[in-house]
Formats: sequence, structure tokens, C-alpha cells
Amino acid sequence: GAVVSQHPSRVICKSGTSVKIECRSLDFQATTMFWYRQFPKQSLMLMATSNEGSKATYEQGVEKDKFLINHASLTLSTLTVTSAHPEDSSFYICSAQRGPTLDTQYFGPGTRLTVL
Amino acid sequence: KNEVEQSPQNLTAQEGEFITINCSYSVGISALHWLQQHPGGGIVSLFMLSSGKKKHGRLIATINIQEKHSSLHITASHPRDSAVYICAVQASGSRLTFGEGTQLTVNP
Repeated sequence: GAVVSQHPSRVICKSGTSVKIECRSLDFQATTMFWYRQFPKQSLMLMATSNEGSKATYEQGVEKDKFLINHASLTLSTLTVTSAHPEDSSFYICSAQRGPTLDTQYFGPGTRLTVL
Repeated sequence: KNEVEQSPQNLTAQEGEFITINCSYSVGISALHWLQQHPGGGIVSLFMLSSGKKKHGRLIATINIQEKHSSLHITASHPRDSAVYICAVQASGSRLTFGEGTQLTVNP
């Protein structure tokens, strides 16, 4: 099956710093990657959709200047949380889709961010 | 009212029992997904359905498009099946809308 990795798996940072999370499709090329956020005991919330080589499409209420997404290649997307605050502490999950719209999304293992 | 509703929210079963988790949705969809999230947080895609029924091992997923309802069944449940099971619908494009999940605990 298709494998998606995320790095790091856990990160703890001080308030005001920036954190970069990487999402890689290891054995396939992903035309589209998705970034989700999940708070404890809640479901996943889509933050943004990114296609390789173009600007990400952000969901309503997600600040594009705070959550910078770069999808530089067909196997790598990065999410940078800029000037992180404690309320940004959450579980961030990416998923990758190979091709057509109705293709399966393959999910990464997630990154637990804690901002002190 | 959420676009995607799952029931039950929590389910405890004894090993070997047959388990059913339900998902109802209120919008027209192109596909419905069943996902499994383990305690560590990682998510595995179990099924993607647009009609009928699919089976993988002990897992069976069905969907009734007219009734806007899907079920996930687990036969001969095992403690390793303990996880959160999430229903997600794909209305247009690739965007998924998620249910709140069903926490399944299977006791030995």
C-alpha cells in the first residue's frame, strides 16, 4: 500500500517560535496533499489543500499567514506554524492523494505539536 | 446538525462479538470513506465506497445511497480492533467531511 510519512512525530516549542512539519509520500507521487488538525476528542478538521507547484487553498477561518504551506514537489509538502502560541497545540495530520478526485487519500502518522 | 453523524459514539464489546457502526449523512456524495485511528493517532483508510458493499478480511462496509446511510461491520472482533472508527464523506472534489468517530473497545 501507499505510505505517507510525517516528520517530526512530536515537537515541543516555546511560544513565538516557528515549527515546520514535513509530509512525504514515500512510494508514490501525490498530485494533492491535505493538511488536517485534530484537537483532543474531536474529529479531523481540514486546514488546507495543496497541489504541487501552486498555492494552497485554505479553509475558512484558517490564517494563511500563520500556517504556511509549501508543496514544492510531488512527494513533499511542508506546513510551517509561524509564531506559534499555546492555542496552536494540536495533532496535525497530512494526507496525500495520487491522482483523480475519487482516489483514496493516504494518511500520515501525524505530528503532535505542543507550544509552551 | 452535523453533515455526518455516527452512532454509537462509544462501543464496548467482548472478543468474538459482531460489531456494527453506523454513519448517516445529509448531503449528496460522490464517495464515503471509513477510516481507523489508533491510540497513537495514525490513520488508516479502510474503505472507500460509492455504492453497494465491500469486504476486506473481517471488515465489511455497506452503503445505501438513497437512504444516505453506511454501516461498518466487524466480524469475530478482537482486542486489536480497538480504535476510533471514522466515517468521512466526499461531496465534491477531494474535500472530506468527517464524523466525530466511534471509540471501539474490544475486551478479551
